[in-house]
Amino acid sequence: DVKVTQSSRYLVKRTGEKVFLECVQDMDHENMFWYRQDPGLGLRLIYFSYDVKMKEKGDIPEGYSVSREKKERFSLILESASTNQTSMYLCASSFKGARSYTFGSGTRLTVV
Amino acid sequence: GQNIDQPTEMTATEGAIVQINCTYQTSGFNGLFWYQQHAGEAPTFLSYNVLDGLEEKGRFSSFLSRSKGYSYLLLKELQMKDSASYLCAVRRAGTYKYIFGTGTRLKVLA
Repeated sequence: DVKVTQSSRYLVKRTGEKVFLECVQDMDHENMFWYRQDPGLGLRLIYFSYDVKMKEKGDIPEGYSVSREKKERFSLILESASTNQTSMYLCASSFKGARSYTFGSGTRLTVV
Repeated sequence: GQNIDQPTEMTATEGAIVQINCTYQTSGFNGLFWYQQHAGEAPTFLSYNVLDGLEEKGRFSSFLSRSKGYSYLLLKELQMKDSASYLCAVRRAGTYKYIFGTGTRLKVLA
């Protein structure tokens, strides 16, 4: 069964901490994405990557960075966590020509 | 601008038919998608429309009118397990990026 795996289901971090959210896919997908999902706002794109070591900003990249050193792994980094980054974070992946994404189960991050 | 609108919440009865509407405004269009998301779970792909008309897949159908910026998801013979959020998303032309609506939470009552 194909999978997008996010390393943590729930995380609690303190304001100012550097936070790493990991995502691994086993489908050899070229594209990988990080979204956050907030009530009333829907899913918003933070960053995406078309290939290894390639990254592009999405709609809300401020306060975040990403790393893609290997094709299967896409990491989201919160440089200095803040309370307004409390959210559900969803990773997704797809082939270049695919019509749809495969999503991970999400990481619910709380920053206190 | 870019915007997607869908109702926040809908309620329907088991066995009934429900239609979830989605209207969109985008600067470029390359397909409209519907995803289902159960509480606490990942969104899963339901349907894709890029040309006008109706796409049917079992109990679920999706319709698109590009000239009107309008789509709907039709769920027939509702089951309790259909209680979930339904996300409408538009892919921007020339990219793999989606714009998502805020989702419609559907409650199916016995």
